[in-house]
Amino acid sequence: QKEVEQNSGPLSVPEGAIASLNCTYSDRGSQSFFWYRQYSGKSPELIMSIYSNGDKEDGRFTAQLNKASQYVSLLIRDSQPSDSATYLCAVKGGSEKLVFGKGTKLTVNP
Amino acid sequence: DAGVIQSPRHEVTEMGQEVTLRCKPISGHNSLFWYRQTMMRGLELLIYFNNNVPIDDSGMPEDRFSAKMPNASFSTLKIQPSEPRDSAVYFCASILGLRATDTQYFGPGTRLTVL
Repeated sequence: QKEVEQNSGPLSVPEGAIASLNCTYSDRGSQSFFWYRQYSGKSPELIMSIYSNGDKEDGRFTAQLNKASQYVSLLIRDSQPSDSATYLCAVKGGSEKLVFGKGTKLTVNP
Repeated sequence: DAGVIQSPRHEVTEMGQEVTLRCKPISGHNSLFWYRQTMMRGLELLIYFNNNVPIDDSGMPEDRFSAKMPNASFSTLKIQPSEPRDSAVYFCASILGLRATDTQYFGPGTRLTVL
C-alpha cells in the first residue's frame, strides 16, 4: 500500500513568519510531487509541483524534494492570514494515480 | 474555461435511496477521477477513467458504488442503496493526459449527507 504521510498539525504561525510543511512517501518509484491548498468548504487547488531533487521556488512558496530520503516539503515565506488552509501533499508514481496525504491545517495569526 | 463542473453541489437523502452524482470534465481532458473526502480517511481515489474507459476501480468501496463515463464530457457516480457512512464530499477531477507532469484539476465537489 503506497502511503503519503504529513505532519498532522494543526500548525499555527504568526503573520510574516515562515511556515514549514512536511511530507514523506513510501513508494521509491514516485516521480511527481504536488502540493495542493484546500480552503474550508472548497476543492483542492494546485499550488506547487516538483519533479527533481532540490528546490523549486514560486513567489513566496518553495518546494523541496529529496528522493533519497523520500521527503518533500513546502515552505511559505512571509505567511499571510490568507494562507490559512489545509495543505495536501500528493505523490504520483509509475501509475497515473495521485496518492494524497491527509493534509496539514495551517493557521496564520494576524 | 468553465473548469470541472459537478452537480448537485449538495445532496441530502435518506438511507436506502439511490444517489447519482454528475461530473463534466474540462473540455479536451482525457482522464477523469472520482474522489471521496472525509475527515477520518482524507481524500481517497475511488475510480478513474482514461478515454472514457475505467482503468482502476480498486478504490470503489463495494458493489453499492458504480461509475460510468458514456462520453468524453460526462460521468456519473451512483450509490445504490445509500448508507449513512457514505456521507462525505465527492470530488471529480480531470487531467489533460497521463504524463507524470500533468496536473489534476478538481471540481467544486458534491457534499452528500445520508440520513
